[in-house]
Amino acid sequence: DAKTTQPNSMESNEEEPVHLPCNHSTISGTDYIHWYRQLPSQGPEYVIHGLTSNVNNRMASLAIAEDRKSSTLILHRATLRDAAVYYCILRDVGQGAGGTSYGKLTFGQGTILTVHP
Amino acid sequence: EPEVTQTPSHQVTQMGQEVILRCVPISNHLYFYWYRQILGQKVEFLVSFYNNEISEKSEIFDDQFSVERPDGSNFTLKIRSTKLEDSAMYFCASNPGTGSNQPQHFGDGTRLSIL
Repeated sequence: DAKTTQPNSMESNEEEPVHLPCNHSTISGTDYIHWYRQLPSQGPEYVIHGLTSNVNNRMASLAIAEDRKSSTLILHRATLRDAAVYYCILRDVGQGAGGTSYGKLTFGQGTILTVHP
Repeated sequence: EPEVTQTPSHQVTQMGQEVILRCVPISNHLYFYWYRQILGQKVEFLVSFYNNEISEKSEIFDDQFSVERPDGSNFTLKIRSTKLEDSAMYFCASNPGTGSNQPQHFGDGTRLSIL
C-alpha cells in the first residue's frame, strides 16, 4: 500500500483556518487521495477526496500538489466540532474478478486536531 | 442522509463465548466492510464482502471470524471463542459501488468488551 505521512498533532483556534498536511511521495497514478476524520467515540467519517485537481465541498477543501506527492486539507473556519483525528488515505484498489475494486481503507495514525475556543 | 447502523453499541461477553455483531449498511450499497480499533490504536481493516462472498481479508481475520449477509439488509460479524485481545471497537462500513473514488460510509461502531 502506498504510504502517507502526517504530523501527529496540530492545534488551532476556533473560527481560524486550519491546514492539515499530508505527504504521499509513493502515490501511483490511479490512487485517489481521501480524507476521513474520526470524532471522539464515533466511526470514521468521509470528508473529501480528489485525484489531481483541487476540490471543495461543504466540509472542507483539498489542495493537491502538482506532482501529487503531497496534499493539504483545509478547514476554512475551524469549530469546536472539528476537533478530531484526521486521516489522509490513498484509496487501495483491490484486485478481484473482472478488475473490480473492493476499496479497503488503510488507516495510519492520523493527525489529532485540537481546536481551542 | 442514509446511515450505516450498528447494534449493539456495547457488548460485554465472557472469554470463550461466541458473539455476533450486527450492521445494517446503506440500502443501495454493494460493498461491505468490517474494521476494528483497539483502544488507543489505529483503525484496522478486517474483511470486505461483495456479491455474497468475502473479497478480501486481512491477517487478523482468521478462522475465528466469519461474516454473513443473512438477508437483504443485515451484515454480521461473528467471532467464535472470543479472546481477551478481541476487545475493541468494531466498525462496519459500506460503499455504493466500485472504484477508488467512492466514499466509504461508517457506522458508529460496537464496543466489544471481553471479560
